Amino acid sequence: DIQMTQSPSSLSASVGDRVTITCRASQGIMNFLAWYQQKPGNLPSLLIYAASTLRSGVPSRFSGSGFGTDFTLTISSLQPEDVATYYCQQYYTGPRPLSFGGGTKVEIK
Amino acid sequence: EVQLVESGGGVVRPGGSLRLSCAASGFTFDRTAMSWVRQAPGKGLEWVSGINWNGVSTGYADSLKGRFIISRDNAKNSLYLQMNSLTVEDTASYHCVRHDGPDWVWYFDLWGRGTLVTVSS
Repeated sequence: DIQMTQSPSSLSASVGDRVTITCRASQGIMNFLAWYQQKPGNLPSLLIYAASTLRSGVPSRFSGSGFGTDFTLTISSLQPEDVATYYCQQYYTGPRPLSFGGGTKVEIK
Repeated sequence: EVQLVESGGGVVRPGGSLRLSCAASGFTFDRTAMSWVRQAPGKGLEWVSGINWNGVSTGYADSLKGRFIISRDNAKNSLYLQMNSLTVEDTASYHCVRHDGPDWVWYFDLWGRGTLVTVSS
């Protein structure tokens, strides 16, 4: 199975700060990586797929990068509405199982 | 309205069984792969099982050890999860999720609100 490791597990930053979350795969997954945002009490929502493609309607302050084993999700200017837990998910070639990272909780300082 | 509505959760004793259902509406169900994802209280997301658009290809998390079976009925726009030999570690909210395409080895673009499964003696 492919293990996904996110870091940090939580962070606190000020409004306007640049925030970076890292996701590392236990083996190469090309760019088969998605990012999700789960706001408190809500369902997860897709932000980015194919490592760097922003889903339609997602604010442009969100961006993704990476290829192979190392990936990042960046929020260029943190806003109060970005308080959430963020998850990465790999969907590399089947039929091996899909897997999520452990999540990164983002709070406002 | 595009939506996924789960049902069938509840309280069950360890070793028991449950069958979850998911009713899909508002999109072309028989062209889309589906999965079940669970989230234990206060914990992260865990993919459970996936099925492709025609039910021919399925996949499961290794941790399930063959206890769960996913299926679908495209004529009824429905997805199912048969869960057997349940343990306390299976306690979670189970979400029906849609893939953005016909193959379950893909990302998710729509989530149901979930049905809570509690395994307790």
